[in-house]
Amino acid sequence: AQSVAQPEDQVNVAEGNPLTVKCTYSVSGNPYLFWYVQYPNRGLQFLLKYITGDNLVKGSYGFEAEFNKSQTSFHLKKPSALVSDSALYFCAVRDSVRDNYGQNFVFGPGTRLSVLP
Amino acid sequence: EAQVTQNPRYLITVTGKKLTVTCSQNMNHEYMSWYRQDPGLGLRQIYYSMNVEVTDKGDVPEGYKVSRKEKRNFPLILESPSPNQTSLYFCASSFQGNYGYTFGSGTRLTVV
Repeated sequence: AQSVAQPEDQVNVAEGNPLTVKCTYSVSGNPYLFWYVQYPNRGLQFLLKYITGDNLVKGSYGFEAEFNKSQTSFHLKKPSALVSDSALYFCAVRDSVRDNYGQNFVFGPGTRLSVLP
Repeated sequence: EAQVTQNPRYLITVTGKKLTVTCSQNMNHEYMSWYRQDPGLGLRQIYYSMNVEVTDKGDVPEGYKVSRKEKRNFPLILESPSPNQTSLYFCASSFQGNYGYTFGSGTRLTVV
């Protein structure tokens, strides 16, 4: 079964500085990788995904993520953080190998990002 | 507007009183899923469905039931709620394959 780890519960960064939120995964087949963001009292919003192709994926709100197959990682990055980026970020993986009905979509535990003014 | 709609947004109930949380999507998605979100545990999948009349257990199915009689609807049923089911619940849907999920706004359930 697939799994996702987000090793940091909390990431603090100053406004204007680059930010990284880490994610590593484990799958049996090829991974479909996703990042979601959750603002207070809201549902999860899609940021970006990696399916195949270029390892650097660009998404919403200036975020990007780099797929690294050898390190089984998919870290979320942004060159210059904004206070409004403060939220809870979830990494998720979907395994390309179907298992039973095969569409289990597994989330990491989440990383709370705080951007300080 | 393409969306997943959950109702109610907030619900306080008593132990043992059956309840249903509704979920509907207007995107003709095959896949639908229910998650619960608890502090420190992230999102855990309760049940998912590949299509009409096809459902399967996720990671934490105990105490929950689902049905998928129509493609657009995927209600979550708690036959006899208990306080440990107090949580924030999300419904989500997607096309099959390498697509991500679209999430509803969530239902905050408190069982006293």
